[in-house]
Amino acid sequence: DAGITQSPRHKVTETGTPVTLRCHQTENHRYMYWYRQDPGHGLRLIHYSYGVKDTDKGEVSDGYSVSRSKTEDFLLTLESATSSQTSVYFCAISGEVSGSGVYNEQFFGPGTRLTVL
Amino acid sequence: AQSVTQLGSHVSVSEGALVLLRCNYSSSVPPYLFWYVQYPNQGLQLLLKYTTGATLVKGINGFEAEFKKSETSFHLTKPSAHMSDAAEYFCAVSESGSARQLTFGSGTQLTVLP
Repeated sequence: DAGITQSPRHKVTETGTPVTLRCHQTENHRYMYWYRQDPGHGLRLIHYSYGVKDTDKGEVSDGYSVSRSKTEDFLLTLESATSSQTSVYFCAISGEVSGSGVYNEQFFGPGTRLTVL
Repeated sequence: AQSVTQLGSHVSVSEGALVLLRCNYSSSVPPYLFWYVQYPNQGLQLLLKYTTGATLVKGINGFEAEFKKSETSFHLTKPSAHMSDAAEYFCAVSESGSARQLTFGSGTQLTVLP
């Protein structure tokens, strides 16, 4: 299994509070991603990073911010949590394209279940 | 823009029967295609991928998928279902040369009946 951990694994919080989720990898992969998973929607990309301090928005970035100060850590912050952000959050990583030009698949962490009351 | 459609949010098969999970995609450039499996309370695990070359791709656990460009499809099959195959399956597409963003389908929950 790819070395990806997420913390916390479960969190219950109240509307309006800030929340930070952490993704940590030991693979030294360049790319890191945050997704949310909701029934009927599959996984939707929130933000991604293509290097230290290099990040970009995904499909559902409103209400979320990210930071990547080290290769191994990618933080997702909900500045003021809302009930619509109740979801399961997955971190993923992928490496550089190989010399053959083949795309490297994404590897997923175990997920964080967030409940906003 | 790329998109993925998985036909059937729930599929039930009997143990030993053929598994067929459908995936159609749209992409303006040659796609990379993936199938992932998710067991309860776990992350996603890659089953197989198509990038270039042979259009019939074999994956783990006896699954395979065929890339059909003319039909813009990438259906997942397994000749004989096992109880342990019960899980949710996601098809995903990425455009070659993109910033490695995956677009996922909404998923198909596979139930295997004894």
